[in-house]
Amino acid sequence: QMQLQESGPGLVKPSGTLSLTCTVSDSINDYYWSWVRQPPGKGLEWIGYIYYSGSTNYNPSLKSRVTISVDTSKNQFSLKLSSLTAADTAVYYCARVGRYCTSISCSTRWYFDLWGRGSLVTVSS
Amino acid sequence: HSALTQPASVSGSPGQSITISCTGTNSDVGAYKYVSWYQQYPGKAPKLLIYEVSSRPSGVSDRFSGSKSGNTASLTISGLQAEDEADYYCNSYTSSNTVIFGGGTKLTVL
Repeated sequence: QMQLQESGPGLVKPSGTLSLTCTVSDSINDYYWSWVRQPPGKGLEWIGYIYYSGSTNYNPSLKSRVTISVDTSKNQFSLKLSSLTAADTAVYYCARVGRYCTSISCSTRWYFDLWGRGSLVTVSS
Repeated sequence: HSALTQPASVSGSPGQSITISCTGTNSDVGAYKYVSWYQQYPGKAPKLLIYEVSSRPSGVSDRFSGSKSGNTASLTISGLQAEDEADYYCNSYTSSNTVIFGGGTKLTVL
């Protein structure tokens, strides 16, 4: 089964930029992909999603600081979050958005059916 | 869109049934069939339990069921087991073409 793996620095400085990459074990094509984060002891927060073709949508509360990009040649998608503060300390998960396929076509179904293990990013000087 | 509203905690004894509610608005939960539920153990990634309000992925026990009425979705766990003790999150698609999570519910099996 397809697997997702996050990678990137575990420690970043305040006011800096967080950069994470999610590597997918199979083709990234034809799916939406997403980033979700979870501060220590708190709930899940959706960050944004990207289609394999590059179209994106972001959480309005983070939109000014977030960029999600995709590299289909490497089966990877990436997250950049700028102007970091301690409040951005969290486990960051990458996830696949589900879809339903018939013999004729596929359609996106808005749930997260595959997740990476998560990557803890600490914002501290 | 504000976070969907879930109770912070629920509890039940083995064998009992519990229900976790997830309240949104007519711009998210009430507007779409794209309500999903996730189970998360400490230190682990969330796992999809229910999608499209009431569908279960392959491999998920039929003790887990979902429903929706108006702007409130519900997850019911029947025949409660010790292994069900975990955090549960709801999620919905929104009219802004975004998605939103609930605040999470901690289930304690007494």
